[in-house]
Parts: sequence; C-alpha cells; structure tokens
Amino acid sequence: EPEVTQTPSHQVTQMGQEVILRCVPISNHLYFYWYRQILGQKVEFLVSFYNNEISEKSEIFDDQFSVERPDGSNFTLKIRSTKLEDSAMYFCASNGDTPGDTQYFGPGTRLTVL
Amino acid sequence: QKEVEQNSGPLSVPEGAIASLNCTYSDRGSQSFFWYRQYSGKSPELIMSIYSNGDKEDGRFTAQLNKASQYVSLLIRDSQPSDSATYLCAVMGTDKLIFGTGTRLQVFP
Repeated sequence: EPEVTQTPSHQVTQMGQEVILRCVPISNHLYFYWYRQILGQKVEFLVSFYNNEISEKSEIFDDQFSVERPDGSNFTLKIRSTKLEDSAMYFCASNGDTPGDTQYFGPGTRLTVL
Repeated sequence: QKEVEQNSGPLSVPEGAIASLNCTYSDRGSQSFFWYRQYSGKSPELIMSIYSNGDKEDGRFTAQLNKASQYVSLLIRDSQPSDSATYLCAVMGTDKLIFGTGTRLQVFP
C-alpha cells in the first residue's frame, strides 16, 4: 500500500541553525501539507502546497519557514534559523484529487532544537 | 477562529465495551470530517471519514455526524486493549485539517 515517507526520523540541531525536513508524498497525489505537533499539544496546520505553489499558510508559517518541491517526488520544509520553540514533531501529509479528500500522514520527523 | 473541541479524557472502558468519543466544531459550513487514531509518538492514522448526516459503519467503528448540532462522534464496539490511543477529530477547513486536542482512550482487560 502506498505511503508517505519522511526523513530523518529524528533531527537534533543547535538554535540558529538551518534544517531541512524531507517528505516523499504518495506518488499520484497532488496536494501536500506540513503540520506540526508540539509535545502534549494538538496537531497544527503549517502550510498547504499545490501546483508548485503555496495555497494556504498559517500564522505559524512565518519568514523562517519555506517549502519546496525540488523534483517530482520530494517535498521539503526548511526552517532557516531554528528557535527552541520549533522543537516538535513535523508531519507531512498528502491527498489525491481534491483538497477535501482524506489526507494521509507520514511517520513524522522529531525536531529537537538545543 | 475555527475550533474543534474534544474532551481530553482519559476515557476508560473495559475490554469488550463500547467506547463513545465526541467532538464539536464551530464552523457551520464544514463539509468533511475525519477521525484519526494516534499512538504515543506516532503519526495520525485515518480511521474514518464522514461527509453526510447520519451514521457510517466500518467494522467495529461507527462515525456519526449531525451538522445541525455541529457534532461528530465515533463509536468503537467490542473495544480491545490495542484500541488504547488518542483519537483525533479533524474538520476540513478551506485547504487544511483543523484538529481537536484528542481524547485519550484506555481499554483495560
């Protein structure tokens, strides 16, 4: 069964460093998303991406964040200068034909900022 | 601000019982609703989606939707210890899922 994959599973970085989180969505899906979940809190939307551009972003997704689909399979989230409060689980999700379709989540990347 | 509300629990039920999980949402225009299960340290895993008023059954799971009351529920029949997890209610916004805080379910033998 097709699934969303994410790498790395755990990333440890120093405050102020740049990190890139990688995702491979399900191959025929058209809509891509990043969510995050701070420990003990709810899953929060960061950004949605369709047709090679951002379709919606939350107020969390400030200038420190960017997304890219550098080739036909990868979808990346870059955090330019990490802060302690960026420590969280980051989930990539994708869905198929329409935005209202079911979103399938990857296993997540645990980001720890020291 | 569109909100999804859930009781955080824990909801404790004995093995074999019915677990009832509830969720309310604020955006009356919402059309798509989802239940995800999340084990500790893992990602959300889809259990069911529901789009129309009424009940939708899939195995031991039944989702119920009442748009007039802005209420979604999930029933788990014959609960098993392996069902112990956090259950997330999610409502589709314009182009994103809006999640509740989740209800922690504990099924004891």
